[in-house]
Amino acid sequence: SQQGEEDPQALSIQEGENATMNCSYKTSINNLQWYRQNSGRGLVHLILIRSNEREKHSGRLRVTLDTSKKSSSLLITASRAADTASYFCATGDAGGTSYGKLTFGQGTILTVHP
Amino acid sequence: DAGVIQSPRHEVTEMGQEVTLRCKPISGHDYLFWYRQTMMRGLELLIYFNNNVPIDDSGMPEDRFSAKMPNASFSTLKIQPSEPRDSAVYFCASSYTQGGSPLHFGNGTRLTVT
Repeated sequence: SQQGEEDPQALSIQEGENATMNCSYKTSINNLQWYRQNSGRGLVHLILIRSNEREKHSGRLRVTLDTSKKSSSLLITASRAADTASYFCATGDAGGTSYGKLTFGQGTILTVHP
Repeated sequence: DAGVIQSPRHEVTEMGQEVTLRCKPISGHDYLFWYRQTMMRGLELLIYFNNNVPIDDSGMPEDRFSAKMPNASFSTLKIQPSEPRDSAVYFCASSYTQGGSPLHFGNGTRLTVT
């Protein structure tokens, strides 16, 4: 079953604009990660935020985490055509016997037009 | 580092045949994951190993699916007999340390069962 749900399912923007994707989840987590997938390729890790963190930056990426609302957002600033891909959030369980595994959402398809 | 290597990249087989997918994780990683991706169900975790030992196989859909990790540098996912509904992209991923480590994905095996 899917833990994270991304919103929107698809996003189409112009080059130079910012792109914001949201992720909601249901259970307590240890960490939340964002991945990118280009067509026909495997997923590539972008950024990880732990449950005790609220915001993290990496280059043009900004991730926020609100554990009280069980939600996260990924902001890509000054988007480029090369950012066109599917973006997934993944949550790591807070404990139990499955500590260490990630559960992925359905993803947001981002299209950046030149 | 060559990354996670999966073979074959594409597999087309007839219903009822045995299919074996292969994965070589990144050297030094002690976690290995098998995921399946379809349009309908997204990314599903099938099974994962820690130090070559299966930890959680609750995602394996049926007894037709089996996975092994005979050593730290090799894992297989076998489907016997295969069915058309097994058609999907199968990803292998590896990571090190427990909980919160990014996953490194291979480029997947696209399986088509006719």
